[in-house]
Amino acid sequence: LAKTTQPISMDSYEGQEVNITCSHNNIATNDYITWYQQFPSQGPRFIIQGYKTKVTNEVASLFIPADRKSSTLSLPRVSLSDTAVYYCLVGGTGAGSYQLTFGKGTKLSVIP
Amino acid sequence: NAGVTQTPKFQVLKTGQSMTLQCAQDMNHEYMSWYRQDPGMGLRLIHYSVGAGITDQGEVPNGYNVSRSTTEDFPLRLLSAAPSQTSVYFCASSYGGQISYNSPLHFGNGTRLTVT
Repeated sequence: LAKTTQPISMDSYEGQEVNITCSHNNIATNDYITWYQQFPSQGPRFIIQGYKTKVTNEVASLFIPADRKSSTLSLPRVSLSDTAVYYCLVGGTGAGSYQLTFGKGTKLSVIP
Repeated sequence: NAGVTQTPKFQVLKTGQSMTLQCAQDMNHEYMSWYRQDPGMGLRLIHYSVGAGITDQGEVPNGYNVSRSTTEDFPLRLLSAAPSQTSVYFCASSYGGQISYNSPLHFGNGTRLTVT
């Protein structure tokens, strides 16, 4: 199963765009990349998922280069409410795909 | 639609006591799993199940037992609690047995366990 590496923490001012990159060098051909957001005292919740190129939804964009060895979560114009821990998870339908292992996540702090 | 429900929200145990953390989902998801979250450690997989009657170990299974008699429920049992099991426990489920497109994990809000 692909191991993921993310920065431990990031700071950003309100209104700025934030990009969080996740490295997953041994991603398998049939793995998807999924990002989750976790607020204190809550379980993680799904933000966005992709396989290749770019995916956009109402809250974020996900950029995946052609080699798929990394991915970047982009949060446009962050607000204080975006302060949370962000996890990327890589998994799919290959062998071992049931062992969905998270990394340590990136703690994003948004500053007024 | 309640999603994933975990009970209790908080629990304090003495060393050596046993207890069961409950997890139920109403989405007819085949895949269910338990994670523990400790400060600075992220989420670590304890056990998972790909359907009723089928369970397997994750990366930190020691000290925990699970069973899956129904699709809806996936309880986590601590047979003899230890202080090292003080943590926040999350249950998660997903449609199908794997991560596939549009089949992300759905998490409960956790059980905070303290073992003294």
